[in-house]
Amino acid sequence: LAKTTQPISMDSYEGQEVNITCSHNNIATNDYITWYQQFPSQGPRFIIQGYKTKVTNEVASLFIPADRKSSTLSLPRVSLSDTAVYYCLVGPTYSGAGSYQLTFGKGTKLSVIP
Amino acid sequence: NAGVTQTPKFQVLKTGQSMTLQCAQDMNHEYMSWYRQDPGMGLRLIHYSVGAGITDQGEVPNGYNVSRSTTEDFPLRLLSAAPSQTSVYFCASSQGQGGVLETQYFGPGTRLLVL
Repeated sequence: LAKTTQPISMDSYEGQEVNITCSHNNIATNDYITWYQQFPSQGPRFIIQGYKTKVTNEVASLFIPADRKSSTLSLPRVSLSDTAVYYCLVGPTYSGAGSYQLTFGKGTKLSVIP
Repeated sequence: NAGVTQTPKFQVLKTGQSMTLQCAQDMNHEYMSWYRQDPGMGLRLIHYSVGAGITDQGEVPNGYNVSRSTTEDFPLRLLSAAPSQTSVYFCASSQGQGGVLETQYFGPGTRLLVL
């Protein structure tokens, strides 16, 4: 299973851009990079997914360099409501019979300060 | 659509008791899974299913059983609860059987305390 490394926590002021970097040195050729967001007492929620270069949606941007050994989630102009834990996932990992697993790490706890 | 629903929201068990955590989805998703989340930890996969009648083990399957008799339901059974199973349990579903671009939809979670 491709292992990911993220900072345990980050603080940011409201209105700033936040960049969370995830390291995944042994990413496999078929692996995608996916980010999820989890608010307290809720299940995780999909944010963005990419394979290489840059992906942007209405919530965030995902930057992936050519070697794909890391990725950066960028949240523009964060607000207090962006306070959450952000998980970087690499995979999925395929097992036999066409099934697969997604592996969550410990995530990065983002605290947005007024 | 209700999405992914889980019951109960909170449960207290004594060591050795059994119980079933319920998970249902109304999105006609083929893939369903169970995770547990402990304080300061990420989510760890317990069991998953790629369709009715098919289940497989995840990272931490010991002490848990699952079955998938219908597309909609994926219950998680604890046969003999242990304090180490105190955790928050999340059920998730996604559309297909392995598409890498699939989004996982998570339920609200079940908080389980085993005394």
